Amino acid sequence: SQTIHQWPATLVQPVGSPLSLECTVEGTSNPNLYWYRQAAGRGLQLLFYSVGIGQISSEVPQNLSASRPQDRQFILSSKKLLLSDSGFYLCAFDPYTAGELFFGEGSRLTVL
Amino acid sequence: AQKITQTQPGMFVQEKEAVTLDCTYDTSDQSYGLFWYKQPSSGEMIFLIYQGSYDEQNATEGRYSLNFQKARKSANLVISASQLGDSAMYFCAMRATSGTYKYIFGTGTRLKVLA
Repeated sequence: SQTIHQWPATLVQPVGSPLSLECTVEGTSNPNLYWYRQAAGRGLQLLFYSVGIGQISSEVPQNLSASRPQDRQFILSSKKLLLSDSGFYLCAFDPYTAGELFFGEGSRLTVL
Repeated sequence: AQKITQTQPGMFVQEKEAVTLDCTYDTSDQSYGLFWYKQPSSGEMIFLIYQGSYDEQNATEGRYSLNFQKARKSANLVISASQLGDSAMYFCAMRATSGTYKYIFGTGTRLKVLA
């Protein structure tokens, strides 16, 4: 069966520190991969999506970056976190192109 | 550009009653898909229902149905016989079925079911 996992689940980081959130997918090949951010009580903002290894599309200019080093691995990074980076980050994949998105468990980031 | 609008930030419904959550969308694509997700307080995103733009019948999944009015560009979610466990955030989303790979979400509606 197809599954997606992301970690860490919770992260508290000081301003200016680096960030790495990781997401892996099992049970499918060449999925489309997505990173979303959800600010407290708000909707989902698409940050990045990828249709293949090394192919990253950025939706919102910011100090975050994404990488896809392997087919089923998607990483969200930052060199220096800002207070405004706090939020709930969700990784998702789409195995069927135009089917529903499957989401990971989410990573709650608090920047202090 | 694609856009999803959910105008109800919060809704209350009495247990066992039906409730409609509104969603309107804007797109120039002819082929697209519409989705509803439920997000409980735990944060997980649970897929509820899907409607394709060329589907003539409204989608139904158990107690969930999607009231699709293409000409009005609306895709409202109807939950029948509300249960306490339905209390959650609900998101409407859209994706074109060709070209772009982006799923666009609305701002959500927080539903509270009252006992």
